[in-house]
Amino acid sequence: SQQGEEDPQALSIQEGENATMNCSYKTSINNLQWYRQNSGRGLVHLILIRSNEREKHSGRLRVTLDTSKKSSSLLITASRAADTASYFCATDWYNDMRFGAGTRLTVKP
Amino acid sequence: NAGVTQTPKFQVLKTGQSMTLQCAQDMNHEYMSWYRQDPGMGLRLIHYSVGAGITDQGEVPNGYNVSRSTTEDFPLRLLSAAPSQTSVYFCASSSLTGKGGELFFGEGSRLTVL
Repeated sequence: SQQGEEDPQALSIQEGENATMNCSYKTSINNLQWYRQNSGRGLVHLILIRSNEREKHSGRLRVTLDTSKKSSSLLITASRAADTASYFCATDWYNDMRFGAGTRLTVKP
Repeated sequence: NAGVTQTPKFQVLKTGQSMTLQCAQDMNHEYMSWYRQDPGMGLRLIHYSVGAGITDQGEVPNGYNVSRSTTEDFPLRLLSAAPSQTSVYFCASSSLTGKGGELFFGEGSRLTVL
Protein backbone atom coordinates (compact mmCIF):
# COMPACT_ATOMS: atom_id res chain seq x y z
CA SER A 1 0.00 0.00 0.00
CA GLN A 2 1.08 3.61 -0.47
CA GLN A 3 3.02 5.18 2.34
CA GLY A 4 1.93 8.81 2.27
CA GLU A 5 -1.57 10.18 2.32
CA GLU A 6 -2.14 13.79 1.39
CA ASP A 7 -4.90 15.95 2.75
CA PRO A 8 -6.89 17.56 1.30
CA GLN A 9 -7.33 15.71 -1.99
CA ALA A 10 -8.18 18.99 -3.70
CA LEU A 11 -7.71 22.63 -2.75
CA SER A 12 -8.92 25.74 -4.56
CA ILE A 13 -7.72 29.21 -3.52
CA GLN A 14 -7.37 32.73 -4.89
CA GLU A 15 -4.09 34.11 -6.12
CA GLY A 16 -2.16 35.69 -3.27
CA GLU A 17 -3.55 33.35 -0.61
CA ASN A 18 -1.50 30.71 1.18
CA ALA A 19 -1.96 27.01 0.46
CA THR A 20 -1.34 24.31 3.06
CA MET A 21 -1.16 20.62 2.25
CA ASN A 22 -0.67 17.83 4.75
CA CYS A 23 0.91 14.42 4.47
CA SER A 24 0.64 11.52 6.88
CA TYR A 25 2.70 8.34 6.68
CA LYS A 26 2.85 5.03 8.44
CA THR A 27 6.38 3.73 8.92
CA SER A 28 9.94 4.89 9.56
CA ILE A 29 11.59 7.30 7.16
CA ASN A 30 15.05 8.62 6.32
CA ASN A 31 13.60 11.68 4.69
CA LEU A 32 10.40 13.08 3.26
CA GLN A 33 10.18 14.91 -0.01
CA TRP A 34 7.61 17.01 -1.80
CA TYR A 35 7.10 16.98 -5.55
CA ARG A 36 4.99 18.92 -7.99
CA GLN A 37 3.37 17.58 -11.15
CA ASN A 38 1.87 19.69 -13.87
CA SER A 39 -0.83 17.96 -15.85
CA GLY A 40 0.57 15.21 -18.06
CA ARG A 41 4.18 15.88 -17.11
CA GLY A 42 6.83 14.23 -14.98
CA LEU A 43 7.26 15.11 -11.32
CA VAL A 44 9.59 17.88 -10.24
CA HIS A 45 11.35 17.87 -6.88
CA LEU A 46 10.48 20.79 -4.58
CA ILE A 47 12.08 20.19 -1.22
CA LEU A 48 13.58 17.44 0.95
CA ILE A 49 13.47 17.32 4.74
CA ARG A 50 15.48 14.74 6.67
CA SER A 51 14.10 12.78 9.59
CA ASN A 52 16.18 14.78 12.10
CA GLU A 53 14.92 18.13 10.78
CA ARG A 54 11.73 19.85 11.87
CA GLU A 55 11.35 22.70 9.39
CA LYS A 56 12.80 23.77 6.10
CA HIS A 57 12.32 26.73 3.78
CA SER A 58 12.87 27.23 0.09
CA GLY A 59 11.64 30.45 -1.48
CA ARG A 60 7.85 30.55 -0.97
CA LEU A 61 7.81 26.98 0.34
CA ARG A 62 7.88 25.94 3.97
CA VAL A 63 7.91 22.31 5.00
CA THR A 64 7.49 20.95 8.49
CA LEU A 65 8.04 17.41 9.73
CA ASP A 66 6.75 15.83 12.93
CA THR A 67 8.13 12.32 13.17
CA SER A 68 6.28 11.64 16.42
CA LYS A 69 2.98 12.19 14.61
CA LYS A 70 4.29 10.80 11.32
CA SER A 71 3.13 13.88 9.48
CA SER A 72 4.42 16.70 7.30
CA SER A 73 2.97 19.87 5.88
CA LEU A 74 3.79 21.96 2.83
CA LEU A 75 2.94 25.65 2.90
CA ILE A 76 3.03 27.70 -0.29
CA THR A 77 2.85 31.40 0.50
CA ALA A 78 1.51 34.14 -1.77
CA SER A 79 0.27 31.62 -4.31
CA ARG A 80 0.25 32.31 -8.03
CA ALA A 81 -1.82 30.92 -10.87
CA ALA A 82 1.33 29.14 -12.04
CA ASP A 83 1.32 27.12 -8.79
CA THR A 84 -1.71 25.22 -10.09
CA ALA A 85 -0.58 21.58 -10.12
CA SER A 86 -0.71 18.34 -8.16
CA TYR A 87 1.57 18.06 -5.15
CA PHE A 88 2.85 14.77 -3.78
CA CYS A 89 4.71 13.81 -0.65
CA ALA A 90 7.15 10.93 -0.83
CA THR A 91 8.75 9.03 2.02
CA ASP A 92 12.17 7.47 1.62
CA TRP A 93 13.41 4.47 3.59
CA TYR A 94 16.68 3.10 2.27
CA ASN A 95 15.95 3.52 -1.43
CA ASP A 96 12.32 2.46 -1.18
CA MET A 97 10.48 5.69 -1.95
CA ARG A 98 6.69 5.71 -1.69
CA PHE A 99 4.34 8.43 -2.88
CA GLY A 100 0.94 9.52 -1.69
CA ALA A 101 -2.07 10.09 -3.94
CA GLY A 102 -1.47 13.83 -4.06
CA THR A 103 -3.27 17.12 -3.51
CA ARG A 104 -4.68 18.89 -6.55
CA LEU A 105 -4.13 22.63 -6.05
CA THR A 106 -5.99 25.17 -8.17
CA VAL A 107 -5.02 28.82 -7.85
CA LYS A 108 -7.55 31.17 -9.40
CA PRO A 109 -6.27 34.43 -10.87
CA ASN B 1 21.50 18.23 -20.62
CA ALA B 2 19.00 15.45 -21.41
CA GLY B 3 18.41 14.21 -17.83
CA VAL B 4 16.09 11.18 -17.81
CA THR B 5 14.80 10.06 -21.20
CA GLN B 6 11.92 7.61 -21.62
CA THR B 7 10.79 5.93 -24.81
CA PRO B 8 8.26 5.44 -26.21
CA LYS B 9 5.98 8.25 -25.02
CA PHE B 10 2.86 6.39 -26.13
CA GLN B 11 2.22 2.71 -26.79
CA VAL B 12 -0.85 0.58 -27.45
CA LEU B 13 -0.59 -3.17 -26.91
CA LYS B 14 -2.92 -6.11 -27.18
CA THR B 15 -3.36 -8.44 -24.24
CA GLY B 16 -0.54 -10.98 -24.16
CA GLN B 17 1.95 -8.94 -26.14
CA SER B 18 5.34 -8.09 -24.72
CA MET B 19 7.25 -4.86 -24.82
CA THR B 20 10.08 -2.93 -23.20
CA LEU B 21 9.92 0.61 -21.90
CA GLN B 22 13.31 2.23 -22.19
CA CYS B 23 14.85 4.59 -19.66
CA ALA B 24 18.22 6.29 -19.91
CA GLN B 25 19.89 8.92 -17.76
CA ASP B 26 23.04 10.91 -18.43
CA MET B 27 23.71 12.15 -14.89
CA ASN B 28 25.75 9.14 -13.73
CA HIS B 29 23.14 8.39 -11.06
CA GLU B 30 23.50 5.15 -9.14
CA TYR B 31 19.82 4.92 -8.27
CA MET B 32 17.07 4.34 -10.84
CA SER B 33 13.45 3.34 -10.41
CA TRP B 34 10.18 2.73 -12.21
CA TYR B 35 6.76 3.91 -11.07
CA ARG B 36 3.29 3.60 -12.44
CA GLN B 37 0.67 6.28 -11.98
CA ASP B 38 -3.02 5.50 -12.11
CA PRO B 39 -5.84 8.03 -11.65
CA GLY B 40 -6.34 8.86 -7.97
CA MET B 41 -3.58 6.44 -6.91
CA GLY B 42 -0.47 8.57 -7.00
CA LEU B 43 2.75 6.80 -7.94
CA ARG B 44 3.47 3.22 -7.03
CA LEU B 45 7.00 1.83 -7.05
CA ILE B 46 7.50 -1.15 -9.39
CA HIS B 47 11.23 -1.90 -9.27
CA TYR B 48 14.37 -0.04 -8.39
CA SER B 49 18.13 -0.37 -8.74
CA VAL B 50 21.00 1.03 -6.71
CA GLY B 51 23.65 0.25 -9.30
CA ALA B 52 24.61 -1.88 -12.28
CA GLY B 53 23.76 -5.51 -11.66
CA ILE B 54 21.55 -4.75 -8.63
CA THR B 55 17.76 -4.62 -8.75
CA ASP B 56 15.01 -4.96 -6.17
CA GLN B 57 11.24 -5.12 -6.05
CA GLY B 58 9.01 -2.29 -5.04
CA GLU B 59 5.35 -2.18 -4.14
CA VAL B 60 3.83 -3.62 -7.33
CA PRO B 61 6.46 -5.76 -9.13
CA ASN B 62 4.24 -8.54 -10.50
CA GLY B 63 4.10 -8.68 -14.29
CA TYR B 64 7.25 -6.60 -14.73
CA ASN B 65 10.93 -7.43 -15.13
CA VAL B 66 13.93 -5.17 -14.98
CA SER B 67 17.68 -5.41 -15.46
CA ARG B 68 20.52 -2.97 -14.97
CA SER B 69 23.51 -3.86 -17.11
CA THR B 70 24.87 -0.30 -17.24
CA THR B 71 24.66 2.75 -15.01
CA GLU B 72 22.82 4.69 -17.71
CA ASP B 73 20.00 2.33 -18.67
CA PHE B 74 17.15 0.72 -16.75
CA PRO B 75 14.60 -0.93 -19.07
CA LEU B 76 11.22 -2.17 -17.85
CA ARG B 77 9.84 -5.29 -19.53
CA LEU B 78 6.26 -6.43 -19.71
CA LEU B 79 6.38 -10.09 -20.70
CA SER B 80 2.64 -10.63 -21.25
CA ALA B 81 0.67 -7.41 -21.11
CA ALA B 82 -2.68 -7.29 -19.32
CA PRO B 83 -5.37 -4.57 -19.32
CA SER B 84 -4.56 -3.93 -15.64
CA GLN B 85 -1.16 -2.66 -16.78
CA THR B 86 -2.75 0.25 -18.63
CA SER B 87 -1.12 3.20 -16.91
CA VAL B 88 1.40 6.01 -17.17
CA TYR B 89 4.91 4.82 -16.36
CA PHE B 90 7.62 7.07 -14.98
CA CYS B 91 11.31 6.39 -14.71
CA ALA B 92 13.34 8.30 -12.15
CA SER B 93 16.97 8.52 -11.04
CA SER B 94 18.89 9.88 -8.10
CA SER B 95 22.51 10.51 -7.23
CA LEU B 96 22.25 9.40 -3.59
CA THR B 97 21.51 6.03 -2.10
CA GLY B 98 20.93 4.94 1.46
CA LYS B 99 19.98 8.30 2.88
CA GLY B 100 18.01 9.16 -0.25
CA GLY B 101 18.05 12.16 -2.52
CA GLU B 102 16.16 14.17 -5.07
CA LEU B 103 14.55 12.10 -7.78
CA PHE B 104 14.75 13.30 -11.38
CA PHE B 105 11.81 12.07 -13.45
CA GLY B 106 11.32 11.38 -17.11
CA GLU B 107 8.28 12.72 -18.92
CA GLY B 108 6.42 9.43 -18.76
CA SER B 109 5.28 6.66 -21.07
CA ARG B 110 1.55 6.21 -21.54
CA LEU B 111 0.67 2.55 -22.09
CA THR B 112 -2.72 1.24 -23.12
CA VAL B 113 -3.39 -2.50 -23.12
CA LEU B 114 -6.47 -3.57 -25.05
